[in-house]
Amino acid sequence: EVQLVESGGGLVKPGGSLRLSCAASGFTFSSSSMNWVRQAPGKGLEWVSYISSSGSYIDYAESVRGRFTISRDNAKNSLSLQMNSLRAEDTAVYYCANIWGSVDYWGQGTLVTVSS
Amino acid sequence: DIQMTQSPSSLSASVGDRVTITCRASQGIRIDLGWYQQKPGKAPKRLIYAASSLQSGVPSRFSGSGSGTEFTLTISSLQPEDFATYYCLQHNSYPHTFGQGTRLEIK
Repeated sequence: EVQLVESGGGLVKPGGSLRLSCAASGFTFSSSSMNWVRQAPGKGLEWVSYISSSGSYIDYAESVRGRFTISRDNAKNSLSLQMNSLRAEDTAVYYCANIWGSVDYWGQGTLVTVSS
Repeated sequence: DIQMTQSPSSLSASVGDRVTITCRASQGIRIDLGWYQQKPGKAPKRLIYAASSLQSGVPSRFSGSGSGTEFTLTISSLQPEDFATYYCLQHNSYPHTFGQGTRLEIK
């Protein structure tokens, strides 16, 4: 069974940092590109970041570029998102997702709340 | 960046109705588009990939069409479980971009 399990969300003050993790199982993680997608409360979906299977290609939405860093550890089947200089507008549920080709795997999401 | 304009933003329909949702891309994206369904408190679920390919396990009442800049998702006969929010997502180039969403409500 495919599982993507996010963790690391929580309440953080503006300007603070948080690191999200996503543990993958049930598929060949090391061969899979991965994404982070977020959804602010009551709002639509926003693609956040992408990392290729080897980690050699990375990209970000303009709204997070320079503040967020995506990484992966293929030996541990793990994806991460380091979030720095957090703003109120980063408040959202964050999903990790493998949505390449015919594959469609999503985690259950982890809530990040940025508030003083 | 490629902008995805999705319409309508909301739609009221009845069980058994045929429904069409449209996404227009600000530039050509070939067939690099997927359609997602999302229910409250749940992760999105993809219905269609590559513009017109039905995701495994998705009922055949869902279909997608289009290429280049204009795409449609059609639900041929609405079922009660189809009332949800729908999004398109282009993955032709980075940053990937979602449409604004279409909330499908029961009339």
